[in-house]
Amino acid sequence: SAVISQKPSRDICQRGTSLTIQCQVDSQVTMMFWYRQQPGQSLTLIATANQGSEATYESGFVIDKFPISRPNLTFSTLTVSNMSPEDSSIYLCSVEEGDNGYTFGSGTRLTVV
Amino acid sequence: GEDVEQSLFLSVREGDSSVINCTYTDSSSTYLYWYKQEPGAGLQLLTYIFSNMDMKQDQRLTVLLNKKDKHLSLRIADTQTGDSAIYFCAERKGGSYIPTFGRGTSLIVHP
Repeated sequence: SAVISQKPSRDICQRGTSLTIQCQVDSQVTMMFWYRQQPGQSLTLIATANQGSEATYESGFVIDKFPISRPNLTFSTLTVSNMSPEDSSIYLCSVEEGDNGYTFGSGTRLTVV
Repeated sequence: GEDVEQSLFLSVREGDSSVINCTYTDSSSTYLYWYKQEPGAGLQLLTYIFSNMDMKQDQRLTVLLNKKDKHLSLRIADTQTGDSAIYFCAERKGGSYIPTFGRGTSLIVHP
């Protein structure tokens, strides 16, 4: 299955600033997903990112707050913009691999102070 | 209610079997998955089952699927302290590439 390198693994940020999270995949994949995971909660899908098209955002998430880039089939970034303490969470990228299910990056633990 | 439901906690003694249960709502689900998340890590696929199967066994793991009741379980035989983690059940609905996850069951293994 694919191997995903996600960076940074954690960060502490000041409110009002932005953080860009990167995911690099060791193989070409069509569909990439970005999730938010809050303590004790399920994974919440933020958006689906396909190469060559605009990301598709889920209800409650907007492009101005969470801009996503997908410049090629092996890379994607998620930016958390104008952060507030409510954005403190774990952010995960994931790729779809057919019968192999979904492979996840190791996550970015974000704390906004 | 939520699409995929799991109990939040399970505590077992080392060497015993663990059974983690999950219910889902969509009868069109094609794949059902079990993921493991250790502290500070992403989700790791443990196993999956096609919706036309009743059971799948992989070493210490046994997955049972009751499609009529929309119930999925994961049995871990001879549970070890290294099995302590959060276990997520997920379904992939027919016609969709987007999985739906449960809230995760925190498995605690004590000596």
